[in-house]
Amino acid sequence: DAGVIQSPRHEVTEMGQEVTLRCKPISGHNSLFWYRQTMMRGLELLIYFNNNVPIDDSGMPEDRFSAKMPNASFSTLKIQPSEPRDSAVYFCASRWDHTDTQYFGPGTRLTVL
Amino acid sequence: DAKTTQPPSMDCAEGRAANLPCNHSTISGNEYVYWYRQIHSQGPQYIIHGLKNNETNEMASLIITEDRKSSTLILPHATLRDTAVYYCIVRPKSGGSNYKLTFGKGTLLTVNP
Repeated sequence: DAGVIQSPRHEVTEMGQEVTLRCKPISGHNSLFWYRQTMMRGLELLIYFNNNVPIDDSGMPEDRFSAKMPNASFSTLKIQPSEPRDSAVYFCASRWDHTDTQYFGPGTRLTVL
Repeated sequence: DAKTTQPPSMDCAEGRAANLPCNHSTISGNEYVYWYRQIHSQGPQYIIHGLKNNETNEMASLIITEDRKSSTLILPHATLRDTAVYYCIVRPKSGGSNYKLTFGKGTLLTVNP
């Protein structure tokens, strides 16, 4: 099993630019999570999808952040426009609801200059 | 969700057992204890979870006290690759927000040669 796949692994961009992070969950998993990790705030849940439907987006910082899951095998997290305070590591995780265990991807390290 | 308290750091000699404590004095009967770890520059990794009985798998053992107010994660023979931040998380077995994993600061375990 390939595990959760995220791309890109590293992204450096300038303030004001649009950033798109991508995630491919483990095949057969029906829940998907986006997290953000910073030194100051630790690991925070941004949004949770179940069966491709957003269930809880209360952790999304503001309107500059949006997430989609067009099908069971792909999700995106978009930031537009990006700001330096968005610099963080963004993790995607997936889960099959019957097991309760979340499997995390390797993360995307985002740097906004 | 019940809160957890963990020591910020611990050291362990390679080959020895690592015992990581966690206090969760406000845990309710419906809540599991989960352990994840995060090796530097990687995504969190599931280790083990339990409700009230002791649990063991290929990675670790989980000992939960009879009153369920605390638990200990045991790595029986720690190796250098076990150096990581270990998170103790309490989450509901069922209910509206049982998908949430709330990560605290965890314990940084350093395994020394």
